[in-house]
Amino acid sequence: EAGVTQSPTHLIKTRGQQATLRCSPISGHTSVYWYQQALGLGLQFLLWYDEGEERNRGNFPPRFSGRQFPNYSSELNVNALELEDSALYLCASSLTFQAFFGQGTRLTVV
Amino acid sequence: AQKVTQAQTEISVVEKEDVTLDCVYETRDTTYYLFWYKQPPSGELVFLIRRNSFDEQNEISGRYSWNFQKSTSSFNFTITASQVVDSAVYFCALSDQAGTALIFGKGTTLSVSS
Repeated sequence: EAGVTQSPTHLIKTRGQQATLRCSPISGHTSVYWYQQALGLGLQFLLWYDEGEERNRGNFPPRFSGRQFPNYSSELNVNALELEDSALYLCASSLTFQAFFGQGTRLTVV
Repeated sequence: AQKVTQAQTEISVVEKEDVTLDCVYETRDTTYYLFWYKQPPSGELVFLIRRNSFDEQNEISGRYSWNFQKSTSSFNFTITASQVVDSAVYFCALSDQAGTALIFGKGTTLSVSS
Protein backbone atom coordinates (compact mmCIF):
# COMPACT_ATOMS: atom_id res chain seq x y z
CA GLU A 1 0.00 0.00 0.00
CA ALA A 2 1.39 3.39 -0.97
CA GLY A 3 2.06 5.84 1.82
CA VAL A 4 1.51 9.58 1.81
CA THR A 5 3.26 11.10 -1.16
CA GLN A 6 4.28 14.72 -1.56
CA SER A 7 5.56 16.64 -4.53
CA PRO A 8 7.83 18.22 -5.34
CA THR A 9 10.59 17.05 -3.00
CA HIS A 10 12.39 20.34 -3.26
CA LEU A 11 11.20 23.73 -4.42
CA ILE A 12 13.15 26.94 -4.81
CA LYS A 13 11.24 30.19 -5.21
CA THR A 14 12.00 33.86 -5.19
CA ARG A 15 10.57 36.19 -2.58
CA GLY A 16 7.16 37.44 -3.67
CA GLN A 17 6.38 34.43 -5.84
CA GLN A 18 3.77 31.77 -5.19
CA ALA A 19 4.45 28.15 -4.27
CA THR A 20 2.15 25.16 -4.72
CA LEU A 21 2.78 21.96 -2.80
CA ARG A 22 0.88 18.74 -3.39
CA CYS A 23 -0.07 15.81 -1.23
CA SER A 24 -1.67 12.46 -1.98
CA PRO A 25 -3.03 10.70 1.10
CA ILE A 26 -3.09 7.01 1.80
CA SER A 27 -5.92 5.35 -0.08
CA GLY A 28 -9.09 5.54 1.98
CA HIS A 29 -7.93 8.37 4.20
CA THR A 30 -10.23 11.37 4.08
CA SER A 31 -8.31 13.81 6.28
CA VAL A 32 -5.21 15.70 5.21
CA TYR A 33 -3.10 17.87 7.48
CA TRP A 34 -0.34 20.31 6.62
CA TYR A 35 2.49 21.19 8.97
CA GLN A 36 5.41 23.58 8.68
CA GLN A 37 8.77 22.67 10.15
CA ALA A 38 10.93 25.75 10.10
CA LEU A 39 14.38 25.86 11.62
CA GLY A 40 14.14 26.71 15.29
CA LEU A 41 10.33 26.76 15.32
CA GLY A 42 9.53 23.08 15.45
CA LEU A 43 6.50 21.50 13.84
CA GLN A 44 3.57 23.85 13.55
CA PHE A 45 0.07 22.98 12.40
CA LEU A 46 -1.05 24.81 9.27
CA LEU A 47 -4.29 23.39 7.91
CA TRP A 48 -6.65 20.45 8.22
CA TYR A 49 -8.94 19.29 5.43
CA ASP A 50 -11.55 16.61 5.71
CA GLU A 51 -14.09 15.53 3.11
CA GLY A 52 -13.16 18.49 0.96
CA GLU A 53 -13.70 21.10 3.65
CA GLU A 54 -11.23 23.16 5.66
CA ARG A 55 -11.85 22.05 9.26
CA ASN A 56 -9.20 23.88 11.19
CA ARG A 57 -6.43 26.35 10.66
CA GLY A 58 -3.27 27.13 12.58
CA ASN A 59 -1.90 30.54 13.41
CA PHE A 60 -0.71 31.45 9.93
CA PRO A 61 -1.56 34.43 7.70
CA PRO A 62 -4.18 34.12 4.93
CA ARG A 63 -1.52 33.88 2.25
CA PHE A 64 -1.23 30.27 3.37
CA SER A 65 -4.20 28.50 1.82
CA GLY A 66 -5.12 25.22 0.29
CA ARG A 67 -7.80 22.91 -0.85
CA GLN A 68 -8.77 19.28 -0.93
CA PHE A 69 -9.95 17.61 -4.09
CA PRO A 70 -12.71 15.00 -4.49
CA ASN A 71 -10.07 12.25 -4.52
CA TYR A 72 -8.86 13.61 -1.13
CA SER A 73 -5.53 14.81 -2.45
CA SER A 74 -4.60 18.29 -1.35
CA GLU A 75 -2.71 21.39 -2.37
CA LEU A 76 -1.04 23.94 -0.17
CA ASN A 77 -0.56 27.36 -1.71
CA VAL A 78 1.71 30.00 -0.28
CA ASN A 79 1.37 33.42 -1.83
CA ALA A 80 3.71 36.40 -1.65
CA LEU A 81 6.54 34.23 -0.39
CA GLU A 82 8.77 35.58 2.33
CA LEU A 83 12.22 34.41 3.31
CA GLU A 84 10.80 33.10 6.60
CA ASP A 85 8.59 30.68 4.67
CA SER A 86 11.64 28.56 3.97
CA ALA A 87 10.90 25.29 5.71
CA LEU A 88 10.04 21.63 5.38
CA TYR A 89 6.32 21.28 4.71
CA LEU A 90 4.90 17.99 5.86
CA CYS A 91 1.60 16.50 4.87
CA ALA A 92 -0.17 13.82 6.87
CA SER A 93 -3.27 11.78 6.24
CA SER A 94 -5.52 10.14 8.75
CA LEU A 95 -8.60 7.96 8.87
CA THR A 96 -9.08 7.58 12.58
CA PHE A 97 -6.65 8.49 15.34
CA GLN A 98 -3.32 7.99 13.67
CA ALA A 99 -1.61 10.39 11.30
CA PHE A 100 0.78 9.10 8.67
CA PHE A 101 3.28 11.57 7.27
CA GLY A 102 4.86 12.05 3.89
CA GLN A 103 8.52 12.85 3.35
CA GLY A 104 7.84 16.52 2.95
CA THR A 105 8.58 19.29 0.52
CA ARG A 106 11.62 21.41 1.23
CA LEU A 107 10.74 24.96 0.23
CA THR A 108 13.56 27.45 -0.07
CA VAL A 109 12.78 31.11 -0.62
CA VAL A 110 15.64 33.21 -1.92
CA ALA B 1 -4.22 25.82 26.03
CA GLN B 2 -2.45 22.66 25.01
CA LYS B 3 1.29 22.37 25.23
CA VAL B 4 3.96 19.71 24.90
CA THR B 5 7.38 20.19 26.45
CA GLN B 6 10.43 18.16 25.60
CA ALA B 7 13.04 19.66 27.85
CA GLN B 8 15.92 17.68 26.41
CA THR B 9 17.11 19.34 23.23
CA GLU B 10 19.94 16.94 22.49
CA ILE B 11 21.09 13.66 23.98
CA SER B 12 24.26 11.77 23.09
CA VAL B 13 24.84 8.18 24.13
CA VAL B 14 27.10 5.33 23.22
CA GLU B 15 25.70 2.22 21.66
CA LYS B 16 24.05 -0.23 24.07
CA GLU B 17 23.26 2.46 26.60
CA ASP B 18 19.66 2.92 27.70
CA VAL B 19 18.19 6.34 27.11
CA THR B 20 14.95 8.00 28.22
CA LEU B 21 13.33 10.86 26.35
CA ASP B 22 11.08 13.02 28.49
CA CYS B 23 7.72 14.47 27.49
CA VAL B 24 5.44 16.62 29.63
CA TYR B 25 2.08 17.79 28.35
CA GLU B 26 -0.62 20.26 29.32
CA THR B 27 -4.28 20.01 28.44
CA ARG B 28 -7.63 20.74 30.02
CA ASP B 29 -9.37 17.99 28.10
CA THR B 30 -10.27 14.74 29.76
CA THR B 31 -10.04 12.87 26.48
CA TYR B 32 -6.81 13.27 24.59
CA TYR B 33 -4.22 11.29 22.68
CA LEU B 34 -0.46 11.21 23.04
CA PHE B 35 1.99 10.20 20.34
CA TRP B 36 5.66 9.66 19.72
CA TYR B 37 7.17 10.12 16.27
CA LYS B 38 10.69 9.53 14.98
CA GLN B 39 12.18 11.78 12.32
CA PRO B 40 15.29 10.35 10.65
CA PRO B 41 17.47 12.56 8.44
CA SER B 42 15.23 11.77 5.47
CA GLY B 43 12.60 14.01 7.04
CA GLU B 44 9.59 11.72 7.14
CA LEU B 45 7.88 11.42 10.50
CA VAL B 46 7.58 7.78 11.52
CA PHE B 47 4.77 6.88 13.89
CA LEU B 48 5.92 4.99 16.98
CA ILE B 49 3.01 4.88 19.41
CA ARG B 50 -0.39 6.34 20.29
CA ARG B 51 -1.91 6.40 23.76
CA ASN B 52 -5.33 7.66 24.79
CA SER B 53 -5.90 9.37 28.09
CA PHE B 54 -7.86 6.47 29.54
CA ASP B 55 -5.15 3.91 29.03
CA GLU B 56 -2.28 4.36 31.46
CA GLN B 57 -0.88 0.93 30.87
CA ASN B 58 2.78 1.07 29.97
CA GLU B 59 3.79 -0.48 26.70
CA ILE B 60 6.84 -2.31 25.48
CA SER B 61 7.68 -2.95 21.86
CA GLY B 62 11.02 -4.60 21.39
CA ARG B 63 13.69 -2.20 22.65
CA TYR B 64 11.13 0.61 22.99
CA SER B 65 9.00 1.25 26.04
CA TRP B 66 6.69 4.04 27.08
CA ASN B 67 5.70 5.21 30.54
CA PHE B 68 2.45 7.18 30.69
CA GLN B 69 1.66 8.86 34.02
CA LYS B 70 -1.39 11.12 34.18
CA SER B 71 -0.52 12.21 37.72
CA THR B 72 2.57 13.97 36.42
CA SER B 73 1.28 14.62 32.88
CA SER B 74 4.22 12.77 31.45
CA PHE B 75 4.66 10.32 28.60
CA ASN B 76 8.29 9.26 28.58
CA PHE B 77 9.98 7.08 26.01
CA THR B 78 12.84 4.69 26.78
CA ILE B 79 15.13 3.00 24.28
CA THR B 80 16.94 0.02 25.73
CA ALA B 81 20.34 -0.98 24.39
CA SER B 82 20.44 1.90 21.92
CA GLN B 83 21.78 1.42 18.42
CA VAL B 84 23.28 3.80 15.87
CA VAL B 85 20.11 3.45 13.78
CA ASP B 86 18.17 5.03 16.64
CA SER B 87 19.86 8.35 15.89
CA ALA B 88 17.07 10.73 14.91
CA VAL B 89 14.88 13.52 16.19
CA TYR B 90 12.05 12.27 18.38
CA PHE B 91 8.84 14.21 18.78
CA CYS B 92 6.17 13.86 21.39
CA ALA B 93 2.72 15.12 20.33
CA LEU B 94 -0.72 15.70 21.78
CA SER B 95 -4.15 15.68 20.15
CA ASP B 96 -7.26 16.75 22.02
CA GLN B 97 -9.64 14.52 20.09
CA ALA B 98 -9.73 12.44 16.99
CA GLY B 99 -9.21 14.48 13.90
CA THR B 100 -7.82 17.67 15.33
CA ALA B 101 -4.29 18.85 14.84
CA LEU B 102 -1.29 17.43 16.60
CA ILE B 103 0.53 19.74 18.97
CA PHE B 104 4.19 18.84 18.85
CA GLY B 105 7.00 19.33 21.30
CA LYS B 106 10.21 20.89 20.03
CA GLY B 107 11.79 17.48 19.65
CA THR B 108 14.81 15.74 21.13
CA THR B 109 17.79 14.98 18.92
CA LEU B 110 19.26 11.63 19.87
CA SER B 111 22.77 10.78 18.70
CA VAL B 112 23.99 7.25 19.24
CA SER B 113 27.66 6.65 18.57
CA SER B 114 29.38 3.32 18.07
